[in-house]
Amino acid sequence: SQQGEEDPQALSIQEGENATMNCSYKTSINNLQWYRQNSGRGLVHLILIRSNEREKHSGRLRVTLDTSKKSSSLLITASRAADTASYFCATVDYGNNRLAFGKGNQVVVIP
Amino acid sequence: EAQVTQNPRYLITVTGKKLTVTCSQNMNHEYMSWYRQDPGLGLRQIYYSMNVEVTDKGDVPEGYKVSRKEKRNFPLILESPSPNQTSLYFCASSLGTPYNEQFFGPGTRLTVL
Repeated sequence: SQQGEEDPQALSIQEGENATMNCSYKTSINNLQWYRQNSGRGLVHLILIRSNEREKHSGRLRVTLDTSKKSSSLLITASRAADTASYFCATVDYGNNRLAFGKGNQVVVIP
Repeated sequence: EAQVTQNPRYLITVTGKKLTVTCSQNMNHEYMSWYRQDPGLGLRQIYYSMNVEVTDKGDVPEGYKVSRKEKRNFPLILESPSPNQTSLYFCASSLGTPYNEQFFGPGTRLTVL
């Protein structure tokens, strides 16, 4: 089942601005992962946050996780044209071995 | 270089003609899976494998088969392709379990006429 749902679906920003996207899920999770996909290419892993973590940073990326609200956010600071891509969250339910992806957020960074 | 490879990258075929999309990884990963990506539907898991000879259905397994005879290979078989299987297909692998970082192949764009 498709568990992760990102919001908003499409975002257009100027270079240098911050981009924030959200993901909600329905069940208990072990961790939540964010991936980036450049047009038509394979997904690339960005960051993983475990269920007992609330915030994690990696370079210009900041991820938060609120297990009480079953939601996560991905913040990209000081965006660059190269950040133009689709961003997906993914979760694995406890009790099965299936990784479920959201429908993705398309982010366009205008130079 | 650690990678997941898929072949072919592009394929146009006709309804009913059996085809196989190969997937191979060189990272000694236990977990491998197949996804299809369609506009507006995101990525949906077709099949996954926890290890050699262990496979299981994902969310959309109908019309597909897989096998895992060797750890590095996980081919996707379409016995009788239909136009609704026109899609972008991705293979992925991870160390141990699906809880870990997934490494994706470059994708196979399949068109069934």
